[in-house]
Amino acid sequence: EVQLLESGGGLVQPGGSLRLSCAASGFTFSSYDMTWVRQAPGKGLEWVSSINTRTDGTRYADSVKGRFTISRDNSKNTLYLQMSSLRAEDTAVYYCAKSYNSYWFSSDWGRGTLVTVSS
Amino acid sequence: EIVMTQSPATLSVSPGERATLSCRASQSVSSNLAWYQQKPGQAPRLLIYGASTRATGIPARFSGSGSGTEFTLTISSLQSEDFAVYYCQQYTSWPLTFGGGTKVEIK
Repeated sequence: EVQLLESGGGLVQPGGSLRLSCAASGFTFSSYDMTWVRQAPGKGLEWVSSINTRTDGTRYADSVKGRFTISRDNSKNTLYLQMSSLRAEDTAVYYCAKSYNSYWFSSDWGRGTLVTVSS
Repeated sequence: EIVMTQSPATLSVSPGERATLSCRASQSVSSNLAWYQQKPGQAPRLLIYGASTRATGIPARFSGSGSGTEFTLTISSLQSEDFAVYYCQQYTSWPLTFGGGTKVEIK
């Protein structure tokens, strides 16, 4: 069974930094592209960033480009999202998601971790 | 950026009735369209990919159709567990984009 467990969320002040982790199990992590998607309170889904299996291909939403960095450690079966220069509008539940084969839609999702940016 | 527009924003349906949800893309996404279901407090769940292929374990009452810019998700006979928010997502080009969602509520 695929399991994705996000951690690292919490309350951070504007301008601060946070690193999210997503521990994967139940599948061969190194063989799948991965994605972060967020959802602001009461709002819809917003794609944040994606990374391919080899880690040499990363993509970012314009809203986070230059502030967020996606990475993965295939030896630890873990996906990361380093977030810096955080803004109030980054407040959201952040979901880790596994891509379906080589397509960029998500077949499996974690339960999410809440990031709150507030002073 | 491809803009995905879902309609209606809210759909009121009685249990056992048919629900038809629409998703429109601002430019062609071919068949690179997925549908997700999200219930309150839960993560999204993949329903449909490739515009019309049901994901593993998804009941046959869920069906998807369309290609290019116009897509439809149909729930043939709504069950109590189907009342939720539904999102479409295109994966033909970057950035990946989602529609704003359609909330299916009990009439």
